[in-house]
Amino acid sequence: EIVLTQSPGTLSLSPGERATLSCRASQSVSSSYLAWYQQKPGQAPRLLIYGASSRATGIPDRFSGSGSGTDFTLTISRLEPEDFAVYYCQQYGSSPSTFGQGTKLEIK
Amino acid sequence: QVQLVQSGAEVKKPGASVKVSCKASGYTFTSYGISWVRQAPGQGLEWMGWISAYNGNTNYAQKLQGRVTMTTDTSTSTAYMELRSLRSDDTAVYYCARDSGSSGWGNWGQGTLVTVSS
Repeated sequence: EIVLTQSPGTLSLSPGERATLSCRASQSVSSSYLAWYQQKPGQAPRLLIYGASSRATGIPDRFSGSGSGTDFTLTISRLEPEDFAVYYCQQYGSSPSTFGQGTKLEIK
Repeated sequence: QVQLVQSGAEVKKPGASVKVSCKASGYTFTSYGISWVRQAPGQGLEWMGWISAYNGNTNYAQKLQGRVTMTTDTSTSTAYMELRSLRSDDTAVYYCARDSGSSGWGNWGQGTLVTVSS
């Protein structure tokens, strides 16, 4: 199975700053099948990015995804207070689908 | 609008079974698959398996093979996930998600907490 490793584990930033989250795969992932999710306490995951770089419906354009092969990045250009949450990457192109362990984005 | 509404919280004893439902609305049920994901307290997301709502084909996570069964009822647009021989480490929130292929999983149920405790 494809193992996804996210870094950093925790990212401490202030509103207005830029956030860069990394997701590295143990083997190549089809760019059509890499997603990013945001999860807040007590809520289901929310799809942000699919296909490595396509924003899901209703997602603000401050969220962007990039990468290919084994290295992928989620960038939040200017942090808003509601962006502080846990972020997961997921590959869904090969079975089993797998998730990274998550990056917690916290307020500095 | 697309909605997935799951059944309520469950408390089970070790060795028992649980069946969680996921009722879909707002789209043609048989046009998409349903994936199931669980999240243990304070932990990350774990894929459990997938079912085609079109023909009932399934694909289960290897670690759950033999203990999990996923089914659908197309007459009610409902997907089900049954987990047997429950253990304490099965305590988790269980989610269903609509699988939109290359477009990812954009719709999730609200989650069902399953607690396994003696």
